Amino acid sequence: GQNIDQPTEMTATEGAIVQINCTYQTSGFNGLFWYQQHAGEAPTFLSYNVLDGLEEKGRFSSFLSRSKGYSYLLLKELQMKDSASYLCAVRDSNYQLIWGAGTKLIIKP
Amino acid sequence: NAGVTQTPKFRVLKTGQSMTLLCAQDMNHEYMYWYRQDPGMGLRLIHYSVGEGTTAKGEVPDGYNVSRLKKQNFLLGLESAAPSQTSVYFCASTHRDDTGELFFGEGSRLTVL
Repeated sequence: GQNIDQPTEMTATEGAIVQINCTYQTSGFNGLFWYQQHAGEAPTFLSYNVLDGLEEKGRFSSFLSRSKGYSYLLLKELQMKDSASYLCAVRDSNYQLIWGAGTKLIIKP
Repeated sequence: NAGVTQTPKFRVLKTGQSMTLLCAQDMNHEYMYWYRQDPGMGLRLIHYSVGEGTTAKGEVPDGYNVSRLKKQNFLLGLESAAPSQTSVYFCASTHRDDTGELFFGEGSRLTVL
């Protein structure tokens, strides 16, 4: 079966750095996505990785290792507004997205 | 630019009642999707469409029907609602030639009593 694993919840301090991990086992691979979802709102796109390595976008970076079936989302200089759920999704060989259950990130002052 | 709009935002149904959720997008996207989101679970695909007049089943299609008569609209129907269909429903769309970034509607919270 296909599976995406990510931690259920993480806590971090304002101004700090946090890394959210995602491991996947899917039928084929055609890209990995990270989305941010604030409580009661829709998911919004953060990043897309299809090749190994690090993609940086402002305070957010996403890393991919296809051989290990592993990705992480790195958030720097945490702000209170970063409190949200972070969803990892992998596009499989049929170009269908397989979603993780999401990681709820709690930021404390 | 409204993006993806879902109606209604909230609805309470009794078991056995029917209803339709409407999704409209103004970005000329070919692909449209209906997902449900339940606590502790990832988004699950109900049905999707790759173009006007075409629909396909996703991971959890039972109890739902869809139609895409116009490119900008994607309707999700529940013919006989069941408590197991209590969920938050999200519509999403994307352009065929892009990376596949999904644009989501605000969600529709459905409760079936």
